[in-house]
Amino acid sequence: DAKTTQPPSMDCAEGRAANLPCNHSTISGNEYVYWYRQIHSQGPQYIIHGLKNNETNEMASLIITEDRKSSTLILPHATLRDTAVYYCIVSGGTASKLTFGTGTRLQVTL
Amino acid sequence: DSGVTQTPKHLITATGQRVTLRCSPRSGDLSVYWYQQSLDQGLQFLIQYYNGEERAKGNILERFSAQQFPDLHSELNLSSLELGDSALYFCASSVGDRLSGNTIYFGEGSWLTVV
Repeated sequence: DAKTTQPPSMDCAEGRAANLPCNHSTISGNEYVYWYRQIHSQGPQYIIHGLKNNETNEMASLIITEDRKSSTLILPHATLRDTAVYYCIVSGGTASKLTFGTGTRLQVTL
Repeated sequence: DSGVTQTPKHLITATGQRVTLRCSPRSGDLSVYWYQQSLDQGLQFLIQYYNGEERAKGNILERFSAQQFPDLHSELNLSSLELGDSALYFCASSVGDRLSGNTIYFGEGSWLTVV
C-alpha cells in the first residue's frame, strides 16, 4: 500500500469548512484513497473514498489532484461533533486490508 | 450504526487467562477483519477471514487465534493474557476479499483490560 502523509493536527472554527490534506505521492494506478475518522475510541467511521474523480456524499467531499499524488477531504460546515482523528489511507489492487497511519487530529472550536 | 456487532463491549480479566471476542459482520459481508488499538499504538491489523478461510495475516501474536464460522460470524481468541494485551479490539467487515473500491465497516470495539 502507498504511504500517506498528513499533518498531525489542525484546528477549525465551527461552521467553517475543514480542509484536511493528504499526500500520497507513491500511489499506484489501481489504488483508492479512503478517508476514515475515529471519534474518541469509537470504531473508525467510513467517510468517503475515490479513485480518480472527485467524490461527494452526505458527509464530505474528496478532491483528488489530477496526478493523484495528493487529496483533500472537505467537511463543508464543521461542527463540534466532527472533532476526531481523520485517517487518509491508500489501498486497492490486490490489497485486502486498510493500513492506518497516525492521521490528523482535527479540533473544531466555537 | 455500521451494522457490525461486537460483544462484549467491555471485559476485565486477569493475567494468564483466556478470552473470546465475538463479531457479527454486516449482512451480506463475507470478509471479517480484526484490529487492535493500544494506548501507545495506532490501529494494528491482526487478521482477515473471507468466507471461512484465513486470507491475510498481520502482526498477530501466536497466543491469539481467530476463526470464521459458517454463519460468517467470527471469534478472536486471546490466551495467556498479559498486561500489554489491554487494548481496544475492533472487528470490521466488507463484501469481498479484496478492497478494489469496496468499503470496510468497523464495529464499536471490545475494550479488554488485563489486570
